[in-house]
Amino acid sequence: DQQVKQNSPSLSVQEGRISILNCDYTNSMFDYFLWYKKYPAEGPTFLISISSIKDKNEDGRFTVFLNKSAKHLSLHIVPSQPGDSAVYFCAANNGGYSTLTFGKGTMLLVSP
Amino acid sequence: DTGVSQDPRHKITKRGQNVTFRCDPISEHNRLYWYRQTLGQGPEFLTYFQNEAQLEKSRLLSDRFSAERPKGSFSTLEIQRTEQGDSAMYLCASSLGHPEYGYTFGSGTRLTVV
Repeated sequence: DQQVKQNSPSLSVQEGRISILNCDYTNSMFDYFLWYKKYPAEGPTFLISISSIKDKNEDGRFTVFLNKSAKHLSLHIVPSQPGDSAVYFCAANNGGYSTLTFGKGTMLLVSP
Repeated sequence: DTGVSQDPRHKITKRGQNVTFRCDPISEHNRLYWYRQTLGQGPEFLTYFQNEAQLEKSRLLSDRFSAERPKGSFSTLEIQRTEQGDSAMYLCASSLGHPEYGYTFGSGTRLTVV
């Protein structure tokens, strides 16, 4: 069963606009959520995380929002840049120092 | 610090052959993870080490797979009697453990079984 779901395989956005990437989860025991970015032929790169006790975390152009009641989180990128074009993975940590469970990813394409 | 290094970057092997991959983590990271990624999927957990101890193995890790981390430094992942279904990107990552900071991944080893 897929505990972390990214239901949009792809998203296209124009440069300068907002990109919103969504993620749903089923396991209420997850205590940290993370976003990774992956370019072709490279490993995933950590972007931003959020604790389950918070509802928002911001780092520069990247903001992650968490809605625990809906078991939903989203990554906002403002403003979007062509260099943001990549596959974005949502991941969740199942308490303490356990391992990460990843979603299938969303490919973001930012056009000039 | 040069990040997480994986070798080789690409490996093509015939079905039935054995292959071994190496991962050198960030030196101060005590945790090391192996993940596998296939086309259209996210990374799937295989196994992880804290120092030299292998603490968890996924059910994805069949008895043809074995991982080691001697002396708690580099790690190797061996696949015996490879099958076409083993074709994937094998990713290694390391961390200090706290989930807030995530893992640092290597660039992966692309395995193709023909």
